[in-house]
Amino acid sequence: SQTIHQWPATLVQPVGSPLSLECTVEGTSNPNLYWYRQAAGRGLQLLFYSVGIGQISSEVPQNLSASRPQDRQFILSSKKLLLSDSGFYLCACRGGHGEKLFFGSGTQLSVL
Amino acid sequence: AQSVTQLGSHVSVSEGALVLLRCNYSSSVPPYLFWYVQYPNQGLQLLLKYTSAATLVKGINGFEAEFKKSETSFHLTKPSAHMSDAAEYFCAVSDVGTGGFKTIFGAGTRLFVKA
Repeated sequence: SQTIHQWPATLVQPVGSPLSLECTVEGTSNPNLYWYRQAAGRGLQLLFYSVGIGQISSEVPQNLSASRPQDRQFILSSKKLLLSDSGFYLCACRGGHGEKLFFGSGTQLSVL
Repeated sequence: AQSVTQLGSHVSVSEGALVLLRCNYSSSVPPYLFWYVQYPNQGLQLLLKYTSAATLVKGINGFEAEFKKSETSFHLTKPSAHMSDAAEYFCAVSDVGTGGFKTIFGAGTRLFVKA
């Protein structure tokens, strides 16, 4: 089964600083990859998803961007962080013919 | 567009009591439905899924859910709560969009289990 590596586990960044969160996947090829953000009391919001290298779909307009430079690598970025970017970011993967999502352990981002 | 509504952001039960977490969905096509569980500071784990086979789905840790098309519901139940069930539970719906397979989550229900 798929294994998702996501780092760092926690991150504290000042407003206006850049961001790069990385997610890599093992155990599958050509997966669908996803970035979700979880804010307190608001469930999981789908931010981006990708069906292949260089293919990114954005679900909501925001201060963030995503890239997929390799088949099993998915990166979430920002040029200038806002306070509202704080939250728990989860990378997820769907591989093969399954509908199930596999999740990474998440990154708790605090923008101060 | 798909959407998921979870009734009750917090549910509290006594150990040994019935657990009922409610979920209603909106989908223009026959949906795939899921329940995930999240323990503190962790990612999500799949509890169970409905993919148009049996309407009563059994998952891990004694949980089950019943798909009711007429009510557009997919409520999660467990006959007897255990302290280890305390966690946050998310209902989700998936379908195939123009960009691929998307999963949309509800806002979550935090389950508290009292001794």
